[in-house]
Amino acid sequence: DTEVTQTPKHLVMGMTNKKSLKCEQHMGHRAMYWYKQKAKKPPELMFVYSYEKLSINESVPSRFSPECPNSSLLNLHLHALQPEDSALYLCASSQGFGTGDWRKLFFGSGTQLSVL
Amino acid sequence: GEDVEQSLFLSVREGDSSVINCTYTDSSSTYLYWYKQEPGAGLQLLTYIFSNMDMKQDQRLTVLLNKKDKHLSLRIADTQTGDSAIYFCAESIGANRDDKIIFGKGTRLHILP
Repeated sequence: DTEVTQTPKHLVMGMTNKKSLKCEQHMGHRAMYWYKQKAKKPPELMFVYSYEKLSINESVPSRFSPECPNSSLLNLHLHALQPEDSALYLCASSQGFGTGDWRKLFFGSGTQLSVL
Repeated sequence: GEDVEQSLFLSVREGDSSVINCTYTDSSSTYLYWYKQEPGAGLQLLTYIFSNMDMKQDQRLTVLLNKKDKHLSLRIADTQTGDSAIYFCAESIGANRDDKIIFGKGTRLHILP
């Protein structure tokens, strides 16, 4: 299994809603990532978890809250988002730091988020 | 500073070779990557090259690295309609767990019949 699975594929939410994005991988990877991608732009790194610990937070607003319950799962909790947060949210995974291929990222298909 | 530059658009006839170019600024880059993104999908790692290599070939893909000029290229031989996508060049720097992968803005490859 070489897949990173993200759910839901599409999400529409209001500015007062609370929702969560989910990501799962069964490749035994120990690093997991959240990226945000606006249309016609490259992905921008938001968070990195390494061995289930948050290792990078790219100054993301607190209305985005990541969670890594175990080595296979990664969540992104959303609360009080703004319309400018509408984007494709991509999850990725890689082998753990210190292994030979730790920077080879495997991406999911993303969640297309629209904030009304 | 860290910056990766690519041309935004490339149009190629089916069956011809496509060459997508990229320049980067950080001379301490260790790995350079090419990712492919099809519409509505995530990024797929196509190939990568370590900075001490000049060339890497993988089936229809050839990566050339000119470290002196900080120039990376991806050549796709016998371009097919399925190659239509956005191609992102990316670099990673150092070996620290906090280092990031820096993506270029992406080159949209359009295949002409």
